Amino acid sequence: DGGITQSPKYLFRKEGQNVTLSCEQNLNHDAMYWYRQDPGQGLRLIYYSQIVNDFQKGDIAEGYSVSREKKESFPLTVTSAQKNPTAFYLCASSIRRAGEAFFGQGTRLTVV
Amino acid sequence: EDQVTQSPEALRLQEGESSSLNCSYTVSGLRGLFWYRQDPGKGPEFLFTLYSAGEEKEKERLKATLTKKESFLHITAPKPEDSATYLCAVQATSGTYKYIFGTGTRLKVLA
Repeated sequence: DGGITQSPKYLFRKEGQNVTLSCEQNLNHDAMYWYRQDPGQGLRLIYYSQIVNDFQKGDIAEGYSVSREKKESFPLTVTSAQKNPTAFYLCASSIRRAGEAFFGQGTRLTVV
Repeated sequence: EDQVTQSPEALRLQEGESSSLNCSYTVSGLRGLFWYRQDPGKGPEFLFTLYSAGEEKEKERLKATLTKKESFLHITAPKPEDSATYLCAVQATSGTYKYIFGTGTRLKVLA
């Protein structure tokens, strides 16, 4: 089955630690995105990548980092510089820059 | 500034009671408007893409329409399994191809 796989589903992190969220897609999509979802707010864009080895900051990139070494993979690192990291993180991909995006099932990150 | 506003924030319907959800948008130029369904704790599920005013798309009990300033998601004779949050997003012709999301409408259909 083609799709987007995010792992893990739940993640707990101690304050001061970096943590990496995985996102893999087998849809052969060029573009990939990371969003953050908080209660009462719309999805906010963290980073996006339209081709391998290239990515751009979204609206709330501070405290996050990404890489795009392979077309299929777009991992997100939440660093200790992110002041309020507890949230639901969603990865998405689209076949090209324009058109509908498809989402993974999300990773819920909790800082303890 | 590009913006998407969804209303109402929450909606409760009796099973079989048809209604509409609204998505108003302000963009410099519309590349596409997208509707998603999101269940609690899950990622959004793609429903429809609309590209130009006057366009309509249907899927089962759902029908999406588009004007130059807003989109409606009409739900005909809803069932309890239609309960979810419905998200609207736009992609503008200018800039970075990013998707701008509304905050969603939480729909609850009572049996």
